[in-house]
Amino acid sequence: AQKVTQAQTEISVVEKEDVTLDCVYETRDTTYYLFWYKQPPSGELVFLIRRNSFDEQNEISGRYSWNFQKSTSSFNFTITASQVVDSAVYFCALSEISGGYQKVTFGTGTKLQVIP
Amino acid sequence: DAGVTQSPTHLIKTRGQHVTLRCSPISGHKSVSWYQQVLGQGPQFIFQYYEKEERGRGNFPDRFSARQFPNYSSELNVNALLLGDSALYLCASSSQTSLIPPPNEQFFGPGTRLTVL
Repeated sequence: AQKVTQAQTEISVVEKEDVTLDCVYETRDTTYYLFWYKQPPSGELVFLIRRNSFDEQNEISGRYSWNFQKSTSSFNFTITASQVVDSAVYFCALSEISGGYQKVTFGTGTKLQVIP
Repeated sequence: DAGVTQSPTHLIKTRGQHVTLRCSPISGHKSVSWYQQVLGQGPQFIFQYYEKEERGRGNFPDRFSARQFPNYSSELNVNALLLGDSALYLCASSSQTSLIPPPNEQFFGPGTRLTVL
């Protein structure tokens, strides 16, 4: 069975600090996809990134970067020079296709508060 | 372009009643997924529909059902409501055209907040 663990329930940082959100996953499949979503206080989930299981290259997008390590089944997300607008709940998710069906599992989320 | 829309925004029901939630995907998107998000938790996958057929189902009881219409809009039905069904119900659409290519990013609607009393 697939599982996504986000051990950090809440994190508070002061503006301009760097922060890393951890995500550990479990799956038996060799082909799978990992996602990060942001859920601001307004409630609407916003897609941030998708990574497939065969692509372990790290990715950087502006102040955001992602570190995917299959050896440790982790897909961590770092925000550099955090800003107040980064305050939100961040979810890591895992997608598998089994028997022609797609199943998506979300973690429980990490609430990030950036203090001005 | 309009994003994913859901109706109603909020809904209050009593135990034992049934409810129908509606979702309109982004124009051109043929895949719709439903999620339940209980307060303080991550979204839990309920169903995925693609081309009007069920393509994915999470661990939810048979009280939960859904369907997708020819225009790709979708309804989620929940029968015999329980207090534990109180949650934010999210609909997401995707431009993926098949399960074989990688799943595309999903675009989420604002959700329907269901309260069961």
